[in-house]
Amino acid sequence: KAGVTQTPRYLIKTRGQQVTLSCSPISGHRSVSWYQQTPGQGLQFLFEYFSETQRNKGNFPGRFSGRQFSNSRSEMNVSTLELGDSALYLCASSLGSAGSREQYFGPGTRLTVT
Amino acid sequence: AQTVTQSQPEMSVQEAETVTLSCTYDTSESNYYLFWYKQPPSRQMILVIRQEAYKQQNATENRFSVNFQKAAKSFSLKISDSQLGDTAMYFCAFMKHNTGANSKLTFGKGITLSVRP
Repeated sequence: KAGVTQTPRYLIKTRGQQVTLSCSPISGHRSVSWYQQTPGQGLQFLFEYFSETQRNKGNFPGRFSGRQFSNSRSEMNVSTLELGDSALYLCASSLGSAGSREQYFGPGTRLTVT
Repeated sequence: AQTVTQSQPEMSVQEAETVTLSCTYDTSESNYYLFWYKQPPSRQMILVIRQEAYKQQNATENRFSVNFQKAAKSFSLKISDSQLGDTAMYFCAFMKHNTGANSKLTFGKGITLSVRP
């Protein structure tokens, strides 16, 4: 089975721009979660989508948004980029059911904001 | 809110020896999951081991085992027969168990483990 894929792997953007990151979960997985990883703050939860619905959200400003499609693929969008948004963005997929909690991570998208 | 603490930022171990990575957490939940994830320099996060809080028995996966002390809210990872490929950052993570089935992981800051040849 193919693992979690994320595109693009690297991005360089300018302050004020917006960016869209994509995540394709493992086949059969219905839950997709997004995390931001920075040296200072570590790994922080952004949001989780399950069956096209956001069912959990972390403490990030409204500039961070996401969505999930019917095939479980997910996108996250960051508008009006700030220097502090530079980070590794990780996507994780899981079956999403109560009995199966393991999350499997993609390789991440490295976003650099200049 | 849950917190996960990994107080040792770095550790080093000789190849073939055993090393223990510490993790403590704070929660008011009675049922939850705990995980150890490994992030090698290539950056792909890999699940190492998981423990359900309601299980008394400590989880093991080949050379990896945990010491889960629920009353002390401690969850340490023991790596036996360390290999060079174990060099990575290790994260301890917590997840609530709830019927809503959402899957938020709360991570510790991580510990960098170096295995010396």
